[in-house]
Amino acid sequence: GAGVSQTPSNKVTEKGKYVELRCDPISGHTALYWYRQSLGQGPEFLIYFQGTGAADDSGLPNDRFFAVRPEGSVSTLKIQRTERGDSAVYLCASSLTVGGSTEAFFGQGTRLTVV
Amino acid sequence: GESVGLHLPTLSVQEGDNSIINCAYSNSASDYFIWYKQESGKGPQFIIDIRSNMDKRQGQRVTVLLNKTVKHLSLQIAATQPGDSAVYFCAFKAAGNKLTFGGGTRVLVKP
Repeated sequence: GAGVSQTPSNKVTEKGKYVELRCDPISGHTALYWYRQSLGQGPEFLIYFQGTGAADDSGLPNDRFFAVRPEGSVSTLKIQRTERGDSAVYLCASSLTVGGSTEAFFGQGTRLTVV
Repeated sequence: GESVGLHLPTLSVQEGDNSIINCAYSNSASDYFIWYKQESGKGPQFIIDIRSNMDKRQGQRVTVLLNKTVKHLSLQIAATQPGDSAVYFCAFKAAGNKLTFGGGTRVLVKP
């Protein structure tokens, strides 16, 4: 596919459980971003990767959230001990490079519901 | 899919009319200002951006205006079409490439 792919599209989990959300960026894009969007609000930045390394993780809300991108392509956002407040749409985006007018392409998101 | 922006300000516009969506910002350090369109159940889609040293940029049917004096950004859509119905977000890019999104505006196009 030509776009950013996120799986699963929907995830329902019980409070306290661990979840992993996957993002497949556009091939060749070196920068990858994770955002979280609550109902009625704009996306909020969580973390971004340049290659394999997390260049800025200042948006991660606490240490229950962690993301990896071991080979510089696919990324996984991991949430431990999920809480009901973690329910949101988690968006992934990728861009060819970092800086300047580099368009970020978003996936369709993973809707996480913690019950 | 889930509707985005159930409690967002709404702009209702007649098909064929022009739409203007406004956004205020506070961070003067932004390098780029960007407009995104988000349809229900989808991720944001890039529409157009403008660099901080410009005050106007035109695309296909869209124009973005930047007024740095009053820290105001607007998106004008010419001849609005039913496919333009969506939630529109302004976003700001500063050093480090992360985007900060503003509040969204829902646009409803009436046939």
